[in-house]
Amino acid sequence: DADVTQTPRNRITKTGKRIMLECSQTKGHDRMYWYRQDPGLGLRLIYYSFDVKDINKGEISDGYSVSRQAQAKFSLSLESAIPNQTALYFCATSFGDIQYFGAGTRLSVL
Amino acid sequence: KQEVTQIPAALSVPEGENLVLNCSFTDSAIYNLQWFRQDPGKGLTSLLLIQSSQREQTSGRLNASLDKSSGRSTLYIAASQPGDSATYLCAVEAGGYNKLIFGAGTRLAVHP
Repeated sequence: DADVTQTPRNRITKTGKRIMLECSQTKGHDRMYWYRQDPGLGLRLIYYSFDVKDINKGEISDGYSVSRQAQAKFSLSLESAIPNQTALYFCATSFGDIQYFGAGTRLSVL
Repeated sequence: KQEVTQIPAALSVPEGENLVLNCSFTDSAIYNLQWFRQDPGKGLTSLLLIQSSQREQTSGRLNASLDKSSGRSTLYIAASQPGDSATYLCAVEAGGYNKLIFGAGTRLAVHP
């Protein structure tokens, strides 16, 4: 089983819908991250969390919110999805300097 | 603002070749630089991590170098194999807290 699990793996939604992407980890790490990747661009940081009570905005947090339900769970929500949020989304955890990534969620907003 | 650039964007080589992937960054004040491999449907895997005080790191057929003063890193892959086909990303940690800034990647294809 993967150490960092993202669900769903693929999602198609319509403009204006609220959706949640979920991430769970079995690595026991305190730090968790959400990134998005667009074609031809590097990954960009959306939000990061150092523990359940510590959540911080990243480079591109507008239009997104997060919830850290437990050490092992970190969810990303799009309150009202728009087409330019179509992207590949990654969750990651870290211990020390190394980050461990999930397999990604491919999101399409029509 | 820190920016990370990778050249080339894509590379196709025959099996067995030695190759070099390049990464440049605009601000030399970094904590570390990492090279990742991205396979379709499998997320990213960390390959090598170079601390700002180090010049290079090696793992098997991979060697990464870092020149902070010039804002450059190279990933050297020796004796390439078809299994090396993937996208290679470099990322710098500039502001602490493991906040990474990524380049757009080099898509590598190694053909038999």
